[in-house]
Amino acid sequence: QQPVQSPQAVILREGEDAVINCSSSKALYSVHWYRQKHGEAPIFLMILLKGGEQKGHDKISASFNEKKQQSSLYLTASQLSYSGTYFCGTEIDFNKFYFGSGTKLNVKP
Amino acid sequence: NAGVTQTPKFQVLKTGQSMTLQCAQDMNHNSMYWYRQDPGMGLRLIYYSASEGTTDKGEVPNGYNVSRLNKREFSLRLESAAPSQTSVYFCASSEERLGYEQYFGPGTRLTVT
Repeated sequence: QQPVQSPQAVILREGEDAVINCSSSKALYSVHWYRQKHGEAPIFLMILLKGGEQKGHDKISASFNEKKQQSSLYLTASQLSYSGTYFCGTEIDFNKFYFGSGTKLNVKP
Repeated sequence: NAGVTQTPKFQVLKTGQSMTLQCAQDMNHNSMYWYRQDPGMGLRLIYYSASEGTTDKGEVPNGYNVSRLNKREFSLRLESAAPSQTSVYFCASSEERLGYEQYFGPGTRLTVT
């Protein structure tokens, strides 16, 4: 049931872009994206709903391909503060969320 | 506005002991969740509560029980702790079920020896 995330890890220089992918084998109601820094709680980034609605932070963008049950998170002009582990969470049933195993992003100066 | 609070922050248990993890939110949210996160892994849903008075099993409910005491509070109980339950436990809440972000508490780091 867990979605598959790729890549597992990314190293960037400040200002570079990255794409993180999330793929599910089940039909999805929604996809959620969160970022977690070491030792801290996950923080909300973006929600993409079946039907096209999106909610999230202005500097983060994402897409949701309902036919393929895939979502991608686009990080542009990365900053040091973007470092952390990114998780996608997929809602495949009422209030049932399955999170991927995460993508570790390291942004270097 | 404290958001989601969890107690305790750290706990060490011996195998077979019991304990209750407490969670409270002050955002008037309807839905609440308990997750566990093992080292280097993603979050796995243990139980959730869509609204006051209702609870339902998530992905990994075995060995746990929950109580939605009121709209604010959602507790997680380990009746007989096992080493496999060593993990970081996060409580979260959201306004409604669909299309609403989850707000996470700071977590409880539990070690079972």
